[in-house]
Amino acid sequence: QLQLQESGPGLVKPSETLSLTCTVSGGSISSSSYYWGWIRQPPGKGLEWIGSIYYSGSTYYNPSLKSRVTISVDTSKNQFSLKLSSVTAADTAVYYCAYIQRGRIDYWGQGTLVTVSS
Amino acid sequence: DIQMTQSPSSLSASVGDRVTITCQASQDISNYLNWYQQKPGKAPKLLIYDASNLETGVPSRFSGSGSGTDFTFTISSLQPEDIATYYCQQYDNLLLFGQGTKLEIK
Repeated sequence: QLQLQESGPGLVKPSETLSLTCTVSGGSISSSSYYWGWIRQPPGKGLEWIGSIYYSGSTYYNPSLKSRVTISVDTSKNQFSLKLSSVTAADTAVYYCAYIQRGRIDYWGQGTLVTVSS
Repeated sequence: DIQMTQSPSSLSASVGDRVTITCQASQDISNYLNWYQQKPGKAPKLLIYDASNLETGVPSRFSGSGSGTDFTFTISSLQPEDIATYYCQQYDNLLLFGQGTKLEIK
């Protein structure tokens, strides 16, 4: 059973970079045909896909966030990461990491709340 | 860009009722559509994939239909544990979620 766990600071200052890591257990992040992704959910609001990375390293980003987002993979640690730069209060959300197969999100992390505030 | 319009945004129904949620895409997305259930404080859970396929372990009272631009999600007989927010999600072009439907018990 695949398990995903987000980690990172719960509080980030405005204009700084939000950095989160997702640790994968129960499977290899290098497996082919799978994507690893990030989704966020502002408090009381809906889900927003941030971006995905293929096992080969190819990335796909939400056009509305593309200029600020970087997703990368560290196969040696079985982890993938999210960096979101120049954050504002609008980036306050629960951030989920996810395993995506053929467009469907089969596994989710439990989510981590990141608050942007000075 | 594809737009997804999900309706209604909220819905109140009685136990045993048939509940229907719709999702409309701004362009043809074939059957590249999934449905998720999210309970408060939890991550979403996949219920239906590829518009009409029931995920393993999901009760058969949940179903999905449609293709092209118009999709429907149905709960045939609402149960108390079905209280949640439901989202559609297209994957024809990147990934995009509908706005969500909050389902409450009347």
